[in-house]
Amino acid sequence: AQSVTQPDIHITVSEGASLELRCNYSYGATPYLFWYVQSPGQGLQLLLKYFSGDTLVQGIKGFEAEFKRSQSSFNLRKPSVHWSDAAEYFCAVVYSNYQLIWGAGTKLIIKP
Amino acid sequence: DAGVIQSPRHEVTEMGQEVTLRCKPISGHNSLFWYRQTMMRGLELLIYFNNNVPIDDSGMPEDRFSAKMPNASFSTLKIQPSEPRDSAVYFCASSRLGWGDTEAFFGQGTRLTVV
Repeated sequence: AQSVTQPDIHITVSEGASLELRCNYSYGATPYLFWYVQSPGQGLQLLLKYFSGDTLVQGIKGFEAEFKRSQSSFNLRKPSVHWSDAAEYFCAVVYSNYQLIWGAGTKLIIKP
Repeated sequence: DAGVIQSPRHEVTEMGQEVTLRCKPISGHNSLFWYRQTMMRGLELLIYFNNNVPIDDSGMPEDRFSAKMPNASFSTLKIQPSEPRDSAVYFCASSRLGWGDTEAFFGQGTRLTVV
């Protein structure tokens, strides 16, 4: 069955440190993948997406993600986090033209 | 464009009352989604409209839930009667072509509390 796994429920990172959020998917076909961010009390905002082509995808706010087919992963990275990056991050894979399979989310906590 | 607009932002109601949540999608978008977010179940797709027509409502939990999209610029999600377990954040999202090769834009959500 198709699924998306975000193994880390919470991650704490010091401000200025690098960040990597993990996402693994299980899907038979070539996946369309997203990372969304949800700030407290807000809706979800698209950070980046992978549909095809270059496996290293650049997004907004300095984020990037790398699609690795051999590892079924789409990990999100940022070289230096800012306090404003504290939020919940969701990975998702397109299941049909209107269905996404969402990960459970990873809450990012920034230490000053 | 102002983005996807949802109202109200917060709703507190008593069990048994009718609740109506509203959504104005982005102009030109022909796909509209209603999601529910809870701690226990995460994000759940409740219903998907394409060109104002409900395509898939299999995520609607019970007959107490109903959704309409009378025109391209307005949709409602109604719960009647409401129950405490309906307490959640409800999101509306719209996109041009479903999830195809475009992103969906989310509203800020309606936080519903049923007491």
